[in-house]
Amino acid sequence: QSALTQPPSASGSPGQSVAISCTGTSSDVGGYNYVSWYQQHPGKAPKLMIYEDYKRPSGVPDRFSGSKSGNTASLTVSGLQAEDEADYYCISYAGSDNYVFGTGTKVTVL
Amino acid sequence: EVHLVESGGDLVQPGGSLRLSCAASGFTFSGYWMSWGRQAPGKGLEWVASIKHDGSEKSYVDSVKGRFTISRDNAKNSLYLQMNSLRADDTAMYYCARPAGGYSFDYWGQGTLVTVSS
Repeated sequence: QSALTQPPSASGSPGQSVAISCTGTSSDVGGYNYVSWYQQHPGKAPKLMIYEDYKRPSGVPDRFSGSKSGNTASLTVSGLQAEDEADYYCISYAGSDNYVFGTGTKVTVL
Repeated sequence: EVHLVESGGDLVQPGGSLRLSCAASGFTFSGYWMSWGRQAPGKGLEWVASIKHDGSEKSYVDSVKGRFTISRDNAKNSLYLQMNSLRADDTAMYYCARPAGGYSFDYWGQGTLVTVSS
């Protein structure tokens, strides 16, 4: 149950794109189509942004997109806005009703 | 509207016990798995435990197995986490979360703070 690896930080100017990676193993990220992504502002609860690798819940802007290749999933935020500045976490299902969380990435809008 | 409200967090000494509660509303509680997650100060999120709709299946992260017990009372729309033999590294904000389709978590509570310190 090792945590999924994310870069500690990422940044971009307003209007630019930023991509965040989430690397696991064939037992979690690569083994299931069940990676989800969460946005967390300071002092707030996490908010679901992407589920099942690339699907967006209703209400989430289409600026947020997910993808996956092998054992690495990615979240891309296009057209960065000030309110996108937050921490982002990936979560993967790991079988037997277990989950593995990512280490988290702080996104800064320059 | 879905609401998850945690309570029960407190300052407790190492080796002590605590019981967290999560009151759910706005959805058919008995129809969903439920989970607990936590976040140590300044650290990332961590999944702690999950429980099936009827309580018949439970799963835990290795670090809490044998010390924490997840349970639920569907008649009271409530989720619980009994935490025993608490350690300093259990200090965290504990969140109640609702697993949704695709093994994601679509709703989270605001959290309750557990501090383990002498």
